[in-house]
Amino acid sequence: NAGVTQTPKFQVLKTGQSMTLQCAQDMNHNSMYWYRQDPGMGLRLIYYSASEGTTDKGEVPNGYNVSRLNKREFSLRLESAAPSQTSVYFCASSPDRVNAGELFFGEGSRLTVL
Amino acid sequence: EDQVTQSPEALRLQEGESSSLNCSYTVSGLRGLFWYRQDPGKGPEFLFTLYSAGEEKEKERLKATLTKKESFLHITAPKPEDSATYLCAARLFYSSASKIIFGSGTRLSIRP
Repeated sequence: NAGVTQTPKFQVLKTGQSMTLQCAQDMNHNSMYWYRQDPGMGLRLIYYSASEGTTDKGEVPNGYNVSRLNKREFSLRLESAAPSQTSVYFCASSPDRVNAGELFFGEGSRLTVL
Repeated sequence: EDQVTQSPEALRLQEGESSSLNCSYTVSGLRGLFWYRQDPGKGPEFLFTLYSAGEEKEKERLKATLTKKESFLHITAPKPEDSATYLCAARLFYSSASKIIFGSGTRLSIRP
């Protein structure tokens, strides 16, 4: 019953450091997404992948890169972290495009950039 | 500009005191209105999908309704375990997830 698994759950970085957030789903979903959630703001889409081998930008892609490694895994990379990237990051997946709104979320990765 | 607005930001109720949460949307071509529940330190959990005005969905003490401009999440005789943040999201034009817009949520607290 794993669903969507994110690692790490917590991370502290210094400005300029790089890191990768990992996400894996075991529900055989085609689509995967990365969101960030900040206090007082809704979830904002960073990048998404409608299928293995494809990725597209969301609302706030600057400063991030993604890789859809296979159908199960979708990683988010911060090449040079900035304090503005302090946030909670959520990975999500959905079964197909028609019902794309029914997202299944991981438990989040809490990132602090000093 | 496409926008989803939730009100109130926070709501405190006594156990058993029914109320409603509001989600108003101004989007060009709604293709689904979604409600999620989020517990502290957890990811959002899917509750309902509504597709057309007049549609209603129910689950235990929760009922979601949809009009052409807004959606309501009605909570009947709530219990402390209903305390959470409730998020709504609007999906536009049957497009991909890049067109799903989330509101900022309503923090619901139920006192025993």
